[in-house]
Amino acid sequence: SQKIEQNSEALNIQEGKTATLTCNYTNYSPAYLQWYRQDPGRGPVFLLLIRENEKEKRKERLKVTFDTTLKQSLFHITASQPADSATYLCAGNNAGNMLTFGGGTRLMVKP
Amino acid sequence: SQTIHQWPATLVQPVGSPLSLECTVEGTSNPNLYWYRQAAGRGLQLLFYSVGIGQISSEVPQNLSASRPQDRQFILSSKKLLLSDSGFYLCGVRVNSYEQYFGPGTRLTVT
Repeated sequence: SQKIEQNSEALNIQEGKTATLTCNYTNYSPAYLQWYRQDPGRGPVFLLLIRENEKEKRKERLKVTFDTTLKQSLFHITASQPADSATYLCAGNNAGNMLTFGGGTRLMVKP
Repeated sequence: SQTIHQWPATLVQPVGSPLSLECTVEGTSNPNLYWYRQAAGRGLQLLFYSVGIGQISSEVPQNLSASRPQDRQFILSSKKLLLSDSGFYLCGVRVNSYEQYFGPGTRLTVT
């Protein structure tokens, strides 16, 4: 079955460093991937979309890559801040143009 | 821009009791609407989606049902709750066929 997989272990980094989160997809080829931020007890918030023909996309301190060979997307936050601490979800579209979500990776940025 | 309202915010219900969760949307017309469930520490599971009034598609067979009585109103129901129905329920709106926007969610605990 189509899967979006993210590292379930929390990522702990020091303030000012670059955080890199990984999203792998299996058993299908999404036309695009999306990244969302979710704070505890809140709904996810859309951050970025990257299409399969785009290698990289940036928005302020955020950068997303899409590697169709590795079947992987990387999500980077440069100059990370404690306020960036949250769970980040990756989602890919499927055949019905619905979204399949990964389990999310929790990021903790320590001051 | 659209605003998504959900209520109640939290709900504790005994096993076997009925359920009704409501979602209303402002700022857009004829939206595609979605109900997701998120178990603790897990990704989002699509339950139902609707492309118009009275049009409901179910993604996961279970004891839940959905209805769309008005263009911007989406209701999730159950006649008899199970323990496994506990979770965080999110209503979503699709924008531009890509980005998904979410409401604040309802935390349901079945005891």
